[in-house]
Amino acid sequence: EAGVVQSPRYKIIEKKQPVAFWCNPISGHNTLYWYLQNLGQGPELLIRYENEEAVDDSQLPKDRFSAERLKGVDSTLKIQPAELGDSAVYLCASSSDAGAEQYFGPGTRLTVT
Amino acid sequence: TQLLEQSPQFLSIQEGENLTVYCNSSSVFSSLQWYRQEPGEGPVLLVTVVTGGEVKKLKRLTFQFGDARKDSSLHITAAQPGDTGLYLCAGADAGNNRKLIWGLGTSLAVNP
Repeated sequence: EAGVVQSPRYKIIEKKQPVAFWCNPISGHNTLYWYLQNLGQGPELLIRYENEEAVDDSQLPKDRFSAERLKGVDSTLKIQPAELGDSAVYLCASSSDAGAEQYFGPGTRLTVT
Repeated sequence: TQLLEQSPQFLSIQEGENLTVYCNSSSVFSSLQWYRQEPGEGPVLLVTVVTGGEVKKLKRLTFQFGDARKDSSLHITAAQPGDTGLYLCAGADAGNNRKLIWGLGTSLAVNP
């Protein structure tokens, strides 16, 4: 069974530029999460989807971040415009149900210069 | 706001030593998960504890959930360099079972 797939693995952009991350969850997993992780720290939830509905986006900086999960499968997280402080690893995870074990992708390491 | 405090934040030990990592909160959790994360990868689940006082063993790793389900510990016996990584605990909100509260992590380095 394929795990959670994320792309790209690495991205370097200049500040004020847009960037997008893509996630393909494990087949059949209804719940999808986007996290931000700074070096050596725990993940911080940005948004949680149950199917195609965003059920928790309270920590998503909506002035510059947006996300979508069309058809309740793949998801895209976008930042526009990026700021220096957005440099971090963006993790995608999925689970069969909220509260169940989460399976993580390898993450996208974003560097904003 | 629910918080999960992990201690220590950093730990560097020699191969063969024992160690314990703690995860504490003032909130009650319906369950608690422990993950390990290696550099360049996402976290991977090690264990889920559900019942207060529960003890689970995974080879040299022993996990305990506090009686009141507010805290947990991870004990590693005879640490190996392969145990190096970031250890994360995450508690499922007892009032809202669909939300995980994450600790900040314990970064462990086991030196040969």
